[in-house]
Amino acid sequence: QSALTQPASVSGSPGQSITISCTGTRSDVGGYNYVSWYQQHPGKAPKLMIYDVTSRPSGVSNRFSGSKSGNTASLTISGLQAEDEADYYCSSYTSSSPVVFGGGTKLTVL
Amino acid sequence: QLQLQESGPGLVKPSETLSLTCIVSGGSISSSGYYWGWIRQPPGKGLEWIGSFSYSDSSHYSPSLKSRVTISVDTSKSQFSLKVSSVTAADTAVYYCARQPPRKLQAAAGFDYWGQGTLVTVSS
Repeated sequence: QSALTQPASVSGSPGQSITISCTGTRSDVGGYNYVSWYQQHPGKAPKLMIYDVTSRPSGVSNRFSGSKSGNTASLTISGLQAEDEADYYCSSYTSSSPVVFGGGTKLTVL
Repeated sequence: QLQLQESGPGLVKPSETLSLTCIVSGGSISSSGYYWGWIRQPPGKGLEWIGSFSYSDSSHYSPSLKSRVTISVDTSKSQFSLKVSSVTAADTAVYYCARQPPRKLQAAAGFDYWGQGTLVTVSS
């Protein structure tokens, strides 16, 4: 099935807030509250940042938050820091397959 | 602390079968409701889910890879394995193993623990 749609890149200055979108359909993002977000630094394994749309794993900064409206989920990072520069991926449960990933978004901290 | 570690050949010839193992330590691979999955990432590209299995429930595979993929488990060794048959250069990727906690829907959870990944190159 098609990957979820994410912007290829976003950027922001230190201290600012940015939002990354993840657009799917009623068969995935819009139909289930099982959206996750991952952060991946170069050469490293992905790290779970948000699960079940809005929940944060223990140890993840509260600067990271998740939300959903209709078929689009969003990851917001507030108080942007240099260490946030990374690739971010969303994933969702789907009616035809348990897991589908988004294409990924490169976050640049200016 | 749960840890996952992938192992296997770094080079596989075209048309052959890719075989990888994920060793799980610090937790039980047979815990009810947990799913154990494989995800891959071609060089410079995004993440692709391959499949997930549960000791207590059924296995699930990506529709695009289902015909070539098998995931199996050896609970005595606390490890699970991935086999991808008839590989081509398109199967060249970093392969990750990871865990999904239980949810009402099978394999619906995000992956909370990941291995470091292992690069597999398909080339003659």
